[in-house]
Amino acid sequence: DAGVTQSPTHLIKTRGQHVTLRCSPISGHKSVSWYQQVLGQGPQFIFQYYEKEERGRGNFPDRFSARQFPNYSSELNVNALLLGDSALYLCASSLLLDASTANYGYTFGSGTRLTVV
Amino acid sequence: DQQVKQNSPSLSVQEGRISILNCDYTNSMFDYFLWYKKYPAEGPTFLISISSIKDKNEDGRFTVFLNKSAKHLSLHIVPSQPGDSAVYFCAAMGGGADGLTFGKGTHLIIQP
Repeated sequence: DAGVTQSPTHLIKTRGQHVTLRCSPISGHKSVSWYQQVLGQGPQFIFQYYEKEERGRGNFPDRFSARQFPNYSSELNVNALLLGDSALYLCASSLLLDASTANYGYTFGSGTRLTVV
Repeated sequence: DQQVKQNSPSLSVQEGRISILNCDYTNSMFDYFLWYKKYPAEGPTFLISISSIKDKNEDGRFTVFLNKSAKHLSLHIVPSQPGDSAVYFCAAMGGGADGLTFGKGTHLIIQP
């Protein structure tokens, strides 16, 4: 069974550009969430989607947006890139969006390493 | 303001001994606490979790203890093995749609 897949694995962009990151959840999982991990820090919550609707949002500027498609895959978009957006972007999937997720945890992909120059 | 804190950036333990990783939190609304393990170039991998209504959960070599009055939890690994060398993240979750709140991680090094 394929795990959570993210593409691309690495990406270099210039300040001011736009980027789209993609995520395919585990088959059957309906919830996808996005995290940003800056070097030396823990992952920070950006968005959570369930059944194609945004269900939660972290403390990130409006330059960050996301969506979830009918097949439950997801895209994270970042506009007007800043040097500080350089990070590992992680996607996580879960079957449901309730407390039962805590029993088996969210399953993370390997991430997309974004470098802004 | 960090709601989940891991105050030890690194920890070195001899193979076969017990590894104890600590985590403190400030938000009383957290319902569950999770531990993740991360190798370089990989995403975090779920290890074990505990509900806020329990004080202990065990899974093989891994045991998590929760002291709710102290807002403190710890992960015990017994016995420690070389493959346990990784970065360990403590995470907390509340109402489901708020995602996970992570600590900064502790780099565990198992020495032969």
